[in-house]
Amino acid sequence: DTAVSQTPKYLVTQMGNDKSIKCEQNLGHDTMYWYKQDSKKFLKIMFSYNNKELIINETVPNRFSPKSPDKAHLNLHINSLELGDSAVYFCASSRTTATAVGGELFFGEGSRLTVL
Amino acid sequence: AQSVSQHNHHVILSEAASLELGCNYSYGGTVNLFWYVQYPGQHLQLLLKYFSGDPLVKGIKGFEAEFIKSKFSFNLRKPSVQWSDTAEYFCAVQSQGNLIFGKGTKLSVKP
Repeated sequence: DTAVSQTPKYLVTQMGNDKSIKCEQNLGHDTMYWYKQDSKKFLKIMFSYNNKELIINETVPNRFSPKSPDKAHLNLHINSLELGDSAVYFCASSRTTATAVGGELFFGEGSRLTVL
Repeated sequence: AQSVSQHNHHVILSEAASLELGCNYSYGGTVNLFWYVQYPGQHLQLLLKYFSGDPLVKGIKGFEAEFIKSKFSFNLRKPSVQWSDTAEYFCAVQSQGNLIFGKGTKLSVKP
């Protein structure tokens, strides 16, 4: 069983389109994340949700909107896609955000978005 | 703002050579430390982690890392690398629920 699953794995689309990437985790974790990995492999956090509530919202264009219908799902919707949005987007989850406990992240396999 | 620095961008080694990848972070409070590995075309997987206790942490596949608090460092080591260790290695620091990654070090092992 895949612990953190993302769909689609590959997405090729035209500039200006709107697209969504879905993420589901079956680990019973409370916290989910979206990371963006650019062409230089740099990983940057975009959003974090804890029990369906937004707790981290880094400086990301308003065109990116996360939605968490329940704590097992965190979807990423992107409006008006631009060339610079091309990247691999990783979903992740962790049991907790508490530093004292140490929330190890489990990552999905990534969704490679190519904007033409 | 906290940051994570990985000094080596690309390391090329022959099989059986020893490996040490540097990682330094800037944050004065309590942190948890991680090393993740990303094999070509795959997602990130946890190699090892440090929360507290013994600063020398052993992970999977023969990797270990040592937390030196005074140097704000968490370097990754392996005594003898294999071709299958070719991958991208990411150091990460977690504080107050936020996990920040370094820019990664690409390791290429020649057979």
